[in-house]
Amino acid sequence: DTAVSQTPKYLVTQMGNDKSIKCEQNLGHDTMYWYKQDSKKFLKIMFSYNNKELIINETVPNRFSPKSPDKAHLNLHINSLELGDSAVYFCASSGDGFNYGYTFGSGTRLTVV
Amino acid sequence: DQQVKQNSPSLSVQEGRISILNCDYTNSMFDYFLWYKKYPAEGPTFLISISSIKDKNEDGRFTVFLNKSAKHLSLHIVPSQPGDSAVYFCAASLGGYALNFGKGTSLLVTP
Repeated sequence: DTAVSQTPKYLVTQMGNDKSIKCEQNLGHDTMYWYKQDSKKFLKIMFSYNNKELIINETVPNRFSPKSPDKAHLNLHINSLELGDSAVYFCASSGDGFNYGYTFGSGTRLTVV
Repeated sequence: DQQVKQNSPSLSVQEGRISILNCDYTNSMFDYFLWYKKYPAEGPTFLISISSIKDKNEDGRFTVFLNKSAKHLSLHIVPSQPGDSAVYFCAASLGGYALNFGKGTSLLVTP
């Protein structure tokens, strides 16, 4: 009964491939996010969607495209994968207010070889 | 540019003693601060937060202190327990959407 679930947990792929990571939340939250944790362990915001609408799009290559079919899902599609895309990607969601913070998924470790 | 900094990458504390984790920020417009705890191979989990209008918030063994003039916050864990061993991330928010995270401090609580 996971609140924010991401699939797959691990993804190993070759350079140049296209891959997707899926995220679903069953918390009824209105806002969902993608964060990237790089090799230096920084967690950085990539995208934020509120009720299926894009509200934050940080400086991320166009090869990354989020898609939100409904407010419970936010998928991340990555085209033409590069070595530097190797990282852990976390999906998260939040409701109104920050009293309880975000709820994060367990992460997807992407390794590009 | 990193707006939230955790300058101590690691901290070791004996069980039963106080753990103090520190965090500095540069943007005086941040209006909400949070601490997250992360175990290996798991996502960060929310621990405690504080609004910029307060200087202290307490929840059980965890207390967060905010010093706005110094742009500094700290997390106190008393008493520390071995299960508290994890990476602790400080985060700050502006306007309620994106969180700016520090790099994390790895806490080890030894028996």
